[in-house]
Amino acid sequence: QSALTQPPSASGSPGQSVAISCTGTSSDVGGYSYVSWYQQHPGKAPKLLIYEVIKRPSGVPDRFSGSKSGNTASLTVSGLQADDEADYYCSSYADTNSLLFGGGTRLTVL
Amino acid sequence: QVQLLESGGGLVKPGGSLRLSCAASRFAFTDYYMSWIRQAPGKGLEWISYISSSGSTMYYADSVKGRFTISRDNAKNSLYLQMNSLRVEDTAVYYCTGVHYFGLDVWGQGTTVTVSS
Repeated sequence: QSALTQPPSASGSPGQSVAISCTGTSSDVGGYSYVSWYQQHPGKAPKLLIYEVIKRPSGVPDRFSGSKSGNTASLTVSGLQADDEADYYCSSYADTNSLLFGGGTRLTVL
Repeated sequence: QVQLLESGGGLVKPGGSLRLSCAASRFAFTDYYMSWIRQAPGKGLEWISYISSSGSTMYYADSVKGRFTISRDNAKNSLYLQMNSLRVEDTAVYYCTGVHYFGLDVWGQGTTVTVSS
């Protein structure tokens, strides 16, 4: 049950786009369409942004989008806003009937 | 407004036990798989366990297998986590979550468990 790999940090200026990667294996990210992304502000519970690789729950702005290629999933945040500054986590179902998380990426809005 | 409310956290000595509870309201609890997620201080998210909507199937992370037990009472719209043989490394905020296509779309506010002598 190894964690998924995310870059520890990412940054962008307001209005720009930034992409955060999440790399796993064929036993998790590459093998299933159950990749999710979460946003967590300090001291708060995480919030679901993306599920099933590309789907957005109601109320999540379309500035947030997900994709996957092979064993790597990505979250793209477009039109960066100050409130997007937060920690972002990916997760994936894995063939051990488990749920794996990435180590998290701290997004800084410059 | 959908709500999950955890309780039962606290300070416990290594080797001790705690039982966490999560009460669901305004939420289709009986339709959902449910999961416990934890977050150690200053660290990332870690999946602990999930349970099927009927309560018949449960899965655990290797880090807690054999020590933690997840259960649910659909008549009471409640989820539980029995934690035995607690270790210092189990110190974390524990979140109750609803699982939707393996996305965790409903979260509680978390309850803090501290394991220390």
